[in-house]
Amino acid sequence: SAVISQKPSRDICQRGTSLTIQCQVDSQVTMMFWYRQQPGQSLTLIATANQGSEATYESGFVIDKFPISRPNLTFSTLTVSNMSPEDSSIYLCSVVTGKYYGYTFGSGTRLTVV
Amino acid sequence: QQQVKQSPQSLIVQKGGISIINCAYENTAFDYFPWYQQFPGKGPALLIAIRPDVSEKKEGRFTISFNKSAKQFSLHIMDSQPGDSATYFCAASGRGGSTLGRLYFGRGTQLTVWP
Repeated sequence: SAVISQKPSRDICQRGTSLTIQCQVDSQVTMMFWYRQQPGQSLTLIATANQGSEATYESGFVIDKFPISRPNLTFSTLTVSNMSPEDSSIYLCSVVTGKYYGYTFGSGTRLTVV
Repeated sequence: QQQVKQSPQSLIVQKGGISIINCAYENTAFDYFPWYQQFPGKGPALLIAIRPDVSEKKEGRFTISFNKSAKQFSLHIMDSQPGDSATYFCAASGRGGSTLGRLYFGRGTQLTVWP
């Protein structure tokens, strides 16, 4: 399965600022996903990022708030813009590898907005 | 709308006992059903997964039981150990339409195994 390096692992940010999270994969993958996990909650899909096309956002998530880049088949970034305390969550990237939809997750970015 | 429903929300089991977590789904387009284990401060890690062409899959102490007609699947942890204490998520994914390539997660079960 793929190995994902996600950075930063955690950050404490001031409200109104932005944070960019990086996701680096050790192999080329077509589909990359960004999830949010609010404290004590399940994982919610933010968007799907495919190389060469605009990211597809889920209901409740918009590009202005969570812009995503996917410059190549091994890398993606998620930016959390104009942060508020409600954005305090763990953000995770995930990739699909293999014939039978083997999903791998990064270790996550724990974001605290103060 | 919760595509995958998971229960119980929390579970306390004595060491050596059997932990059972249940999930149900509605969308018949789902054809891949993984279970993830998550420890505090870590991302979810794939534990075991099943496809609907089999009714059971076993890996070590972990077994998935799958009932296609009832649209239910469950995780059984045999001989539960304190190191199994974690949050467990069931999930589902499919090959077509809106299910293509994305995982739908249950709400999670916090398992505590007492020594």
